[in-house]
Amino acid sequence: QSALTQPASVSGSPGQSITISCTGTSSDVGNYNLVSWYQHHPGKAPKLMIYEVIKRPSGISNRFSGSKSGNTASLTISGLQAEDEADYYCCSYSGGGSFHVLFGGGTKLTVL
Amino acid sequence: QVTLRESGPALVKPTQTLTLTCTFSGFSLSTSGVSVTWIRQPPGKALEWLARIDWDADKYYSTSLKTRVTISRDTSKNQVVLTMTNMDPVDTATYYCARMTTGYSFDYWGQGTLVTVSS
Repeated sequence: QSALTQPASVSGSPGQSITISCTGTSSDVGNYNLVSWYQHHPGKAPKLMIYEVIKRPSGISNRFSGSKSGNTASLTISGLQAEDEADYYCCSYSGGGSFHVLFGGGTKLTVL
Repeated sequence: QVTLRESGPALVKPTQTLTLTCTFSGFSLSTSGVSVTWIRQPPGKALEWLARIDWDADKYYSTSLKTRVTISRDTSKNQVVLTMTNMDPVDTATYYCARMTTGYSFDYWGQGTLVTVSS
């Protein structure tokens, strides 16, 4: 099973919106509403930002939103702030008869 | 407050067995619905899920690594242990433990521990 496909990098200016895509297949992203997104500042623990495609954990800003269309999930960050600069990873359940999850390769977000 | 912390050797030799311990607090692995997983990230590469252990002691393994990986728990010590046999330089990675929650997502992670495989 291959990793999910994310762009290597995206960038935006403070206040702007950006979207990070996460492309899988009909066996994972396209077949389950079980996509999650993680923010990772190097040297720190990854942080759950979105789960079940669109849901935000308690304490996560509503500037972060998730969506899905077909085999592609997306994370949108609106009103970019300097502290949003980090690596972002998507993850999807992929079933296959037993438990398995796939991660994306990660996207480096630069706030200009 | 939920915390997880990975511990283990920073350097192992090829063919050796790696043993990593995840020590957690703020929740119990005896509570229904709770799971702890191991995830790794080789330098410059994607995250890779390795193994999971549930509150009822069910275990799940990555298909590609299931012959080499074992996950176990000590609920009295709030610890989950990962062992990986026959280590190879390609296993060089940062190893994370994380609590699994709703929708097969991971709501709390440790900071990770870098394991280098080299002679």
